[in-house]
Amino acid sequence: EAQVTQNPRYLITVTGKKLTVTCSQNMNHEYMSWYRQDPGLGLRQIYYSMNVEVTDKGDVPEGYKVSRKEKRNFPLILESPSPNQTSLYFCASSLFSGGAGANVLTFGAGSRLTVL
Amino acid sequence: KQEVTQIPAALSVPEGENLVLNCSFTDSAIYNLQWFRQDPGKGLTSLLLIQSSQREQTSGRLNASLDKSSGRSTLYIAASQPGDSATYLCAVETQGGSEKLVFGKGMKLTVNP
Repeated sequence: EAQVTQNPRYLITVTGKKLTVTCSQNMNHEYMSWYRQDPGLGLRQIYYSMNVEVTDKGDVPEGYKVSRKEKRNFPLILESPSPNQTSLYFCASSLFSGGAGANVLTFGAGSRLTVL
Repeated sequence: KQEVTQIPAALSVPEGENLVLNCSFTDSAIYNLQWFRQDPGKGLTSLLLIQSSQREQTSGRLNASLDKSSGRSTLYIAASQPGDSATYLCAVETQGGSEKLVFGKGMKLTVNP
């Protein structure tokens, strides 16, 4: 089944303890992206990747890191989590991006992170 | 900076009504516009994607239109059903090399039996 898989789905952690949220897609998509969703603020893009070894900042990249060493994986790293990073996180992918072609996004089920 | 607005934030209607959901954006230089559905506690599901060169797309009871010059899109839902209850979001991908996808805050739809 074509899908985007995120892990963990739920996580409670403490301030300063490094964590990684994994994202994997099995559709050979070039484009991958991370979003956070907060009440009243909607979905905001954190980082995106056009292809392997190509990443760029979205609108709210502070406090986050990403890497794209393989096409299928795009982990989100919080080096030193803080309470303001408590949120619902979504990973998404698409075959291409922008003018290269249809950009239908497939989303993961979400990862709810709580930082105490 | 691209801004996407969806008004109203919530809508409650009786079953069977034909609905129009609105989305407006400030920068008309877009690659495409997408409509998504989000059920509570779930991820987003893409409903329709309209390329910048297209005027509309249809899927079943859903029809999305795009007027790029005026910065507007509408999602038309025919003969609404309780199963259509969800939050609907629109998102635009803006040209200019940023490759960023900007979302509206969504509209929560409740269709009452």
